[in-house]
Amino acid sequence: KAGVTQTPRYLIKTRGQQVTLSCSPISGHRSVSWYQQTPGQGLQFLFEYFSETQRNKGNFPGRFSGRQFSNSRSEMNVSTLELGDSALYLCASSLTPGQDSDTQYFGPGTRLTVL
Amino acid sequence: AQKITQTQPGMFVQEKEAVTLDCTYDTSDQSYGLFWYKQPSSGEMIFLIYQGSYDEQNATEGRYSLNFQKARKSANLVISASQLGDSAMYFCAMRDRSGGGADGLTFGKGTHLIIQP
Repeated sequence: KAGVTQTPRYLIKTRGQQVTLSCSPISGHRSVSWYQQTPGQGLQFLFEYFSETQRNKGNFPGRFSGRQFSNSRSEMNVSTLELGDSALYLCASSLTPGQDSDTQYFGPGTRLTVL
Repeated sequence: AQKITQTQPGMFVQEKEAVTLDCTYDTSDQSYGLFWYKQPSSGEMIFLIYQGSYDEQNATEGRYSLNFQKARKSANLVISASQLGDSAMYFCAMRDRSGGGADGLTFGKGTHLIIQP
């Protein structure tokens, strides 16, 4: 079974631009979560989508948004990029969101650099 | 206060030795899940092992086991017979409800493990 895929793998943008990242979950998984990883803040939860609905959102500004499509693929968008948005963005998919035992399987990440 | 604490920023271990990576957590929930992930330099987070708060037995997955001490709020990862390919960052993570409803995983800062030949 194919794993979680993320595109693109690398992105370079300039301040003020916007960016869209894409994530395809493991086949059969309907939940997709997004995380931001930076050297200073570590791994932080952005949001989770299930059945095209945002279930949960972490403590990030409104510039960060996402959506999920009927085939469970998800995109996240960051508008008006800031230097501090430079990070590795990880997507994870899972089967049974909301359960403590729900295991999230991660993709390879998209490394975003903002100049 | 941090919810997940990993006190070892880095560790050097000889190949074939056993390794224990420390993790303590803080939650007021009775029901929660604990996870360990491995992140090689390539960046992908690889799921290793899961322990539920109500599980009486310590979880095991091949060379990985989890030393779960609920009263001490400790969930240490044990890697037996370490291999060169085990060199990576290791993250402890938790899912609970005490964070105000967000269901995302809360991660520790990680331990950078280096296996030496």
